[in-house]
Amino acid sequence: EAQVTQNPRYLITVTGKKLTVTCSQNMNHEYMSWYRQDPGLGLRQIYYSMNVEVTDKGDVPEGYKVSRKEKRNFPLILESPSPNQTSLYFCASIPSFAGTGGYEQFFGPGTRLTVL
Amino acid sequence: AQSVAQPEDQVNVAEGNPLTVKCTYSVSGNPYLFWYVQYPNRGLQFLLKYITGDNLVKGSYGFEAEFNKSQTSFHLKKPSALVSDSALYFCAVRGLNAGNMLTFGGGTRLMVKP
Repeated sequence: EAQVTQNPRYLITVTGKKLTVTCSQNMNHEYMSWYRQDPGLGLRQIYYSMNVEVTDKGDVPEGYKVSRKEKRNFPLILESPSPNQTSLYFCASIPSFAGTGGYEQFFGPGTRLTVL
Repeated sequence: AQSVAQPEDQVNVAEGNPLTVKCTYSVSGNPYLFWYVQYPNRGLQFLLKYITGDNLVKGSYGFEAEFNKSQTSFHLKKPSALVSDSALYFCAVRGLNAGNMLTFGGGTRLMVKP
């Protein structure tokens, strides 16, 4: 089954304790992206990757890191989490950013993060 | 910079009645427009998109949306609402800026009452 998976689905942690949220897709998609969802703000892009070893900042990159060593994986790293990073996080992918640009995104199930 | 506005935080409609969820956008050049739906404790699911061509776009679960270039709108509609349509709906736009893939609106919660 074609899908985007995220782990963990739920995480409660404390300020300053490094954490990683994994994202993996099995569709051989080139483009992957991380969003955070906050009430009333919709989804805001954190980082994106157009292909392996190519990453760039989205709208709200502060406090986050990413890597793209393999095509299928795009982990989100919080080196020193803070309470304002409490949010619902989604990973998404599309086949490619080239061409019409009209591809719809495939979203993972989300990771609910609470930072105390 | 591109932006999306969903002016209603919540839309209430009775089952069987038509529904409209509003969306307006601002983008440079021709837009790519999308609607996504989010059910409780689930990720976002694609509903429909406008790329080019016919202004009326039909999508999943009986939903449709009308692209209006002069009003920069892309309202989501359904002729007859179901209780199971109750969910959070997001409008999104992508312009020609290759860096920022999609800009989402704040979301509209649709409540369909029996």
